[in-house]
Amino acid sequence: QVQLQESGPGLVKPSQTLSLTCNVSGGSITSGDYYWSWIRQPPGKGLEWIGYIYYSGSTNYNPSLKSRVTISVDTSKNQFSLKLSSVTAADAAVYYCARVGGGYGVNYFDYWGQGTLVTVSS
Amino acid sequence: DIQMTQSPSSLSASVGDRVTITCRATQTISSYLNWYQQKLGKAPKLLIYAASSLQRGVPSRFSGSGSGTDFTLTISSLQPEDFATYFCQQTYSTLPFTFGGGTKVEIK
Repeated sequence: QVQLQESGPGLVKPSQTLSLTCNVSGGSITSGDYYWSWIRQPPGKGLEWIGYIYYSGSTNYNPSLKSRVTISVDTSKNQFSLKLSSVTAADAAVYYCARVGGGYGVNYFDYWGQGTLVTVSS
Repeated sequence: DIQMTQSPSSLSASVGDRVTITCRATQTISSYLNWYQQKLGKAPKLLIYAASSLQRGVPSRFSGSGSGTDFTLTISSLQPEDFATYFCQQTYSTLPFTFGGGTKVEIK
């Protein structure tokens, strides 16, 4: 059973960089069948896809965040990470990591971490 | 971006009721449409993928239909554990992936 677990600071100051890591267990991040993604959800609001990464390091980002987002992978640790620069109050949210399964053009988020709340405040 | 509009945004229903939630895309997305259930304080859970395929382990009272721009999630007989918020998501080839605004299913 694949499990994902987010970790990182729960409080980030405005203008600084948010950094989170997702540890994957129960399966290898180098499995070629999956992408690995970040999604966020402001409190009481909807879901926003941030981006995803393949184990090779290939990425795709949401254009609305692309200038501030970096997703990276560390296959030796079976984890991937998110960096979001120049944060503002609008970036406060629960951040989820998830596995993107599917194939042949079909994509779906089949395993999710429990989520981690990030607050932006000085 | 492809926008996803869900309706209703909330509904009240009783145990045993048949519940239908709709999701409309601003352009055709073929059948690249997923449905998730989210309970308070928890991560979303995949229910339906590719518009009508039931994820392993999900009860058969959940079903999905549609293609193109209009999609439906149906719960044939609402159970107490089904009270939650439901989101649709499109994963058509044109990024970004986008979600609907959610439908909150409450107890009547």
